Amino acid sequence: QLQLQESGPGVVKPSGTLSLTCSVSGGSIGRSSYYWGWIRQSPGKGLEWIGNIYYSGSTNYNPSLKSRVTISVDMSKDQFSLNLSSVTAADTAIYYCVRQAAQTFDYWGQGTLVTVSS
Amino acid sequence: DIQMTQSPSTLSASVGDRVTITCRASQSISSWLAWYQQKPGKAPKMLIYKASSLESGVPSRFSGSGSGTEFTLTISSLQPDDFATYYCQQHNSYPLTFGGGTKVEL
Repeated sequence: QLQLQESGPGVVKPSGTLSLTCSVSGGSIGRSSYYWGWIRQSPGKGLEWIGNIYYSGSTNYNPSLKSRVTISVDMSKDQFSLNLSSVTAADTAIYYCVRQAAQTFDYWGQGTLVTVSS
Repeated sequence: DIQMTQSPSTLSASVGDRVTITCRASQSISSWLAWYQQKPGKAPKMLIYKASSLESGVPSRFSGSGSGTEFTLTISSLQPDDFATYYCQQHNSYPLTFGGGTKVEL
């Protein structure tokens, strides 16, 4: 059974960089034809797709965040990561890592709350 | 971006009721629409994709219909486990976008 697990700091200072890692178990990022991505959920903005990455390194980002987002993959560890720079309080949210199949999301991590606060 | 609008935002229902939730897209998305169920403290779970295709393991009381810009999710007979928030998502084009959610409550 495929499982995804987010990890990273729960608090990030304003203007800092939010960094999260998603560890995939029960399957391999490199031996699949799926994209792997990030979605966040905040009370103010609901569910927001952030972006995704293919095992080859090809990425797609939400234009609203593109200037601040980097998603990378480490196939040797079956992990992919999210970096979001210049964060503000508006970036406070639950961040989910997901498997993307045909532009839908069939596997989700449990989510991790990231609060932007000094 | 394609805007997704759900209605109603909250729906009061009882066990056994037939429940219908509507999702509208700001432009045609053909049949590229998915539905998710989310319970408090949990990640969303996909129920339906491509407007009417049931995800494996999802009870048959859930069904989806529609195409173009208007879609519906129907629960034929509401069960206690179905009280949750439901989201639609267009999977026609990037950026992928979600509706604002419909909370089904007692």
